[in-house]
Amino acid sequence: DAEITQSPRHKITETGRQVTLACHQTWNHNNMFWYRQDLGHGLRLIHYSYGVQDTNKGEVSDGYSVSRSNTEDLPLTLESAASSQTSVYFCASSELGSANEQFFGPGTRLTVL
Amino acid sequence: RKEVEQDPGPFNVPEGATVAFNCTYSNSASQSFFWYRQDCRKEPKLLMSVYSSGNEDGRFTAQLNRASQYISLLIRDSKLSDSATYLCVVYGGSQGNLIFGKGTKLSVKP
Repeated sequence: DAEITQSPRHKITETGRQVTLACHQTWNHNNMFWYRQDLGHGLRLIHYSYGVQDTNKGEVSDGYSVSRSNTEDLPLTLESAASSQTSVYFCASSELGSANEQFFGPGTRLTVL
Repeated sequence: RKEVEQDPGPFNVPEGATVAFNCTYSNSASQSFFWYRQDCRKEPKLLMSVYSSGNEDGRFTAQLNRASQYISLLIRDSKLSDSATYLCVVYGGSQGNLIFGKGTKLSVKP
């Protein structure tokens, strides 16, 4: 069955370190998204991609970067982790067409000390 | 005004009760609307899309009022398994992507 996976599921890191969160989907979806979810804020869009080599900034992109070298993967990099980036991160994918249902990965819980 | 607003709850209801959630959105050009369900510490999952004519899926009924810019979700005969957070989601926000509300928490008690 097609799925979307994230790794690691839990990560503790220190301020200033570079961190990369992996997202892999086997749906063959063109669209992929990264969100963060914090108490009191709901899901906020960090970056998104509509296809290979395409990346776009979302609502809260500062301090994050993504790259899309193939259809299946959209890794999220925190260039220099900050305590404010402690959060739960969800990756999602959808078929072509922005209004389509998004399928979410299980999430990565990141703690920056 | 926030793009998508929901009452955070919690709504505490007994099994068998009928409960309704509302959600308002600010962008009158919004094109598509959804309800997602999120269980504690899990990922969101699509519950149902919301169509202009209203739609029903078993015990769940979704309504859209474009004139007043609100969406509703009605759950009849609540089950313990309905306990979750319900996210109102709108497509057509300022960045052309899905905009998620903060969610309404439902707790169904025996």
